[in-house]
Amino acid sequence: GQNIDQPTEMTATEGAIVQINCTYQTSGFNGLFWYQQHAGEAPTFLSYNVLDGLEEKGRFSSFLSRSKGYSYLLLKELQMKDSASYLCAVRPGVDGGATNKLIFGTGTLLAVQP
Amino acid sequence: DGGITQSPKYLFRKEGQNVTLSCEQNLNHDAMYWYRQDPGQGLRLIYYSQIVNDFQKGDIAEGYSVSREKKESFPLTVTSAQKNPTAFYLCASSIFLRDPGANVLTFGAGSRLTVL
Repeated sequence: GQNIDQPTEMTATEGAIVQINCTYQTSGFNGLFWYQQHAGEAPTFLSYNVLDGLEEKGRFSSFLSRSKGYSYLLLKELQMKDSASYLCAVRPGVDGGATNKLIFGTGTLLAVQP
Repeated sequence: DGGITQSPKYLFRKEGQNVTLSCEQNLNHDAMYWYRQDPGQGLRLIYYSQIVNDFQKGDIAEGYSVSREKKESFPLTVTSAQKNPTAFYLCASSIFLRDPGANVLTFGAGSRLTVL
């Protein structure tokens, strides 16, 4: 089956660094995506990894290890506005239609405290 | 500005009624998707469409129907056959290329449906 696991909730302090982990077991792999979703709003794209290693985009970085089925999202210099749900999603493979059929985890609700 | 517009934002329905959620995009994206979001669960794919006049069932299509008569529009009908329709519904779109990085989803702001 297809399974993606993330912690349900995390709490961190403003200005600190937080790491949100994601493990996956899918029938194939063709990319891992991270989205941010504020309460009641649309998810917005943060980053993606298709090869092993670290991808850095400003205060956000995402890491992937395909052999371990593992990724993490690293948020630096936390701000209050970073309080949101962070969704990990995997694209299992390229089907005949090359459709971006993502499998989403349940999301990690991050609370940033002063 | 380009984006995806979903309407209505909030909708109440009586049991036994069909309801249609609107999704319009002006991003010139080929592919469009409908997801359902429930507390404690990941987004689940209902239907998707890669081109006009064509669409496929996702993982939880039962009780839903869609149409794709125009590239810009992908309405979702929640029928009375859907046993547990109360949820947050998200429409998304993407360009249609094989590079996984190119297929980043752009989401609408969502429609929250409550069945009374």
